[in-house]
Amino acid sequence: DVKVTQSSRYLVKRTGEKVFLECVQDMDHENMFWYRQDPGLGLRLIYFSYDVKMKEKGDIPEGYSVSREKKERFSLILESASTNQTSMYLCASSFSGRGGNQPQHFGDGTRLSIL
Amino acid sequence: QKEVEQDPGPLSVPEGAIVSLNCTYSNSAFQYFMWYRQYSRKGPELLMYTYSSGNKEDGRFTAQVDKSSKYISLFIRDSQPSDSATYLCAMSADTGRRALTFGSGTRLQVQP
Repeated sequence: DVKVTQSSRYLVKRTGEKVFLECVQDMDHENMFWYRQDPGLGLRLIYFSYDVKMKEKGDIPEGYSVSREKKERFSLILESASTNQTSMYLCASSFSGRGGNQPQHFGDGTRLSIL
Repeated sequence: QKEVEQDPGPLSVPEGAIVSLNCTYSNSAFQYFMWYRQYSRKGPELLMYTYSSGNKEDGRFTAQVDKSSKYISLFIRDSQPSDSATYLCAMSADTGRRALTFGSGTRLQVQP
């Protein structure tokens, strides 16, 4: 079974802090993704990576950065946390394929609150 | 207008009912269609994965794609209280953007 592990289930941080969310997958997937999920808005793609040290912006990259130094690990960084970044953050991974046609496997999410 | 539209619900049905969940989309390039189930406080888990038009069945679940109408459906037969969850559709094209485009999810409640 594919396992995508997110380092924290719940996290509380203060405005202006630098926040790191970590994600590890054990299936040797090339692609990794970060989404945020908000009521009524569904899943919105923040960033994704299709190879080590490679990244592409998603639909809502502002205020975020990412790092992928190893194939199995993908980090999301909130450079200076703000209250509008309070959300559920989901990491996913998939095999590479043409376009985005491979199914993605998700972690259980990190519920982040910015006070 | 969103690229993928999905009724948010909640949809409440009695145990044993047949459930129909639907998504419409606007991008005719979409070829791959997926359904995910998400329980409260958990990540989405893949339920069904189909390519192009047609039907696919897996146990009590049937996924249907009608590309001519840009409409996909998930049917759940003999629904159980354990099916209570949010169901997300997702889709992608063969080329271009590597990520999936998701619907916002339909919340399903199956009453015992």
